[in-house]
Amino acid sequence: DIQMTQSPSTLSASVGDRVTITCRASQSVGTSLAWYQQNPGKAPKLLIYKASTLETGVPPRFSGSGSGTEFTLTISSLQPDDFATYHCQQHFGRRTFGQGTKVEI
Amino acid sequence: EVQLVESGGGLVKPGGSLRLSCAASGFSFTNAWMSWVRQAAGKGLEWLGRIKSKSADGAIDYAAALQGRFSISRDDSTNTLFLQMDSLQTEDTAVYYCTTVGLAGSGRDLDYWGQGTLVTVSS
Repeated sequence: DIQMTQSPSTLSASVGDRVTITCRASQSVGTSLAWYQQNPGKAPKLLIYKASTLETGVPPRFSGSGSGTEFTLTISSLQPDDFATYHCQQHFGRRTFGQGTKVEI
Repeated sequence: EVQLVESGGGLVKPGGSLRLSCAASGFSFTNAWMSWVRQAAGKGLEWLGRIKSKSADGAIDYAAALQGRFSISRDDSTNTLFLQMDSLQTEDTAVYYCTTVGLAGSGRDLDYWGQGTLVTVSS
C-alpha cells in the first residue's frame, strides 16, 4: 500500500497566521490526493480534491498544491473555525490516509 | 441533500460479530460507489473498503489489513450499505463512517460522510 506521511503532527498557530501542512506519498499518486478537515467529535469534511480543487463552499483562504509525491495544504490567514485536524488521503491505489495534523492555538 | 446515517454500533465481546448499516438518501444510491472508513479514538482515519455500483460490476475492494474479517454489501432496494464484521478484536474499537465515493472522472473521492457509529470491542 502507498504510505502517506503528514507533517507536522501538531501545529500551534494564531488567528491570522499563514499555515502550511505537508503530505508526502511513498510513491507517485499523480493528483489523486484529497484533504479533509475534521472538528472534534465530527465526521471529516472534504476540503480539497485533485490536489488543488476546492470543494464547493470552502473558503478561498484554503489552497492545495503538489503532484506526484509531495503535496501541501495552505491556509492563508487562519480563522477561529480552522482550528481542527487535517487529513490527507490518496486514491491512486488502495486508499490510504496520512496520520493527521492538528492545528491548535 | 445527501444524508448518510450509520447504525448498528455498540459493545461486542472479542471474537464476536456485528453488522453496521448505513441508510442513504438525497442521491441516486443505485448508481453510487460507497466506502467505509474507521477512526480509533485519538488516531487517524483508516479506509476499510469500497463497493462499486452494480452497473459498474459491483466490485468490492478491501484494505489488506482486514484479513478477510470484514465484508461490505449493499441493498439498492432499500438504499442501504452494510459492513459485516466478524472475529472482532479490541483493536477494531473505533467510530465507523460510511462515505460516498465521487463520480468516476470527477477527481472527487470520499465526498460525503455520515456522522459515524461507535463500535466498542471489550470483554
